[in-house]
Amino acid sequence: QKEVEQDPGPLSVPEGAIVSLNCTYSNSAFQYFMWYRQYSRKGPELLMYTYSSGNKEDGRFTAQVDKSSKYISLFIRDSQPSDSATYLCAMTYFSGGYNKLIFGAGTRLAVHP
Amino acid sequence: NAGVTQTPKFRVLKTGQSMTLLCAQDMNHEYMYWYRQDPGMGLRLIHYSVGEGTTAKGEVPDGYNVSRLKKQNFLLGLESAAPSQTSVYFCASMGLAGAETQYFGPGTRLLVL
Repeated sequence: QKEVEQDPGPLSVPEGAIVSLNCTYSNSAFQYFMWYRQYSRKGPELLMYTYSSGNKEDGRFTAQVDKSSKYISLFIRDSQPSDSATYLCAMTYFSGGYNKLIFGAGTRLAVHP
Repeated sequence: NAGVTQTPKFRVLKTGQSMTLLCAQDMNHEYMYWYRQDPGMGLRLIHYSVGEGTTAKGEVPDGYNVSRLKKQNFLLGLESAAPSQTSVYFCASMGLAGAETQYFGPGTRLLVL
């Protein structure tokens, strides 16, 4: 069983739709939760970062963490074609002397005009 | 301020050949990482370094070696390339503040024939 599970998609939505991206995890030691956005042929870039259960909002993006269910989500409101990318969830915990960072497989999102 | 740079951008190798991938960062970050990204697998950590002169194994270290002789550079070596090492390689660096300061390079596409 993978430590972090993420549906690879692809997910195709019309412009303006609300997008929900999700990850589940199995390790209770995970402390920090991130979402990265990766455009085609580019490196991942950090989008959202949180360490507690609840919601964190940044513009059109909301990151949600439910530690009791081991479930995290990223919501994108009023989605735009420029949001078309692969979204990777990632989680960290301290192990073996360093902050171990585990990534999900990524969900490919396409927003069409 | 270039952030994290990687050279080369693309390389084709024959089985058994060797090569070195170079990662450079100009943010004075302590931590540096090498990941590989394969379809459906997400990002997997190959090796990492917590400071100049130190290196350690990640999840998938076999077939790779690394060196960090200077704080700003992290080299990934393939001594005898195998087709299973065909992948996209990403370097990342991170400051002491933690994962929210992690930046990725643009990636190196490697094809081993």
